[in-house]
Amino acid sequence: DQQVKQNSPSLSVQEGRISILNCDYTNSMFDYFLWYKKYPAEGPTFLISISSIKDKNEDGRFTVFLNKSAKHLSLHIVPSQPGDSAVYFCAAKAGGGNKLTFGTGTQLKVEL
Amino acid sequence: KAGVTQTPRYLIKTRGQQVTLSCSPISGHRSVSWYQQTPGQGLQFLFEYFSETQRNKGNFPGRFSGRQFSNSRSEMNVSTLELGDSALYLCASSLQGEMREQYFGPGTRLTVT
Repeated sequence: DQQVKQNSPSLSVQEGRISILNCDYTNSMFDYFLWYKKYPAEGPTFLISISSIKDKNEDGRFTVFLNKSAKHLSLHIVPSQPGDSAVYFCAAKAGGGNKLTFGTGTQLKVEL
Repeated sequence: KAGVTQTPRYLIKTRGQQVTLSCSPISGHRSVSWYQQTPGQGLQFLFEYFSETQRNKGNFPGRFSGRQFSNSRSEMNVSTLELGDSALYLCASSLQGEMREQYFGPGTRLTVT
């Protein structure tokens, strides 16, 4: 049972344009959401997070939007840079502790 | 400040053997979580330790176990290795039990032959 889904396995964007990565979830108990970026042979790197009491959080070029009624979140990267090329994972957390449920990832390629 | 370190980085074992992986969290971090990453199943939560106590456990068989020491360093053990245990094992630490952001180490690549 895949509780966190990233339906697009890959995304290609031109440098300078906006990258939009999407994530859907099914568990209504999730109350905190995170985005991680992962390069090959490295561990995931934390990017940005959002609590379920908010609908938007911004950090520099990265903005995360949360639509609780649709159980959907998205990560916007503006402007996209070649160094952003990586696999992006969304993750969700419910209640106490640090158990994260991850999506399957989206491979972002930013082309010159 | 040093990041999360994991040893060894690469490991090759034979089916039926056992293996122990080690994780040193960021200094001052007391929560350590372990994840398994495979191409087919993605990143899956194994267990979490906080102040030497297992606080959360994922859906893995009892062959997978872990522990945390008083200095917050953690080890995970896999007994009676199976071919399907071949994966990247990731450790993540956070400052407190309820901190949101977890910081990951580079992982240990385990290959079972």
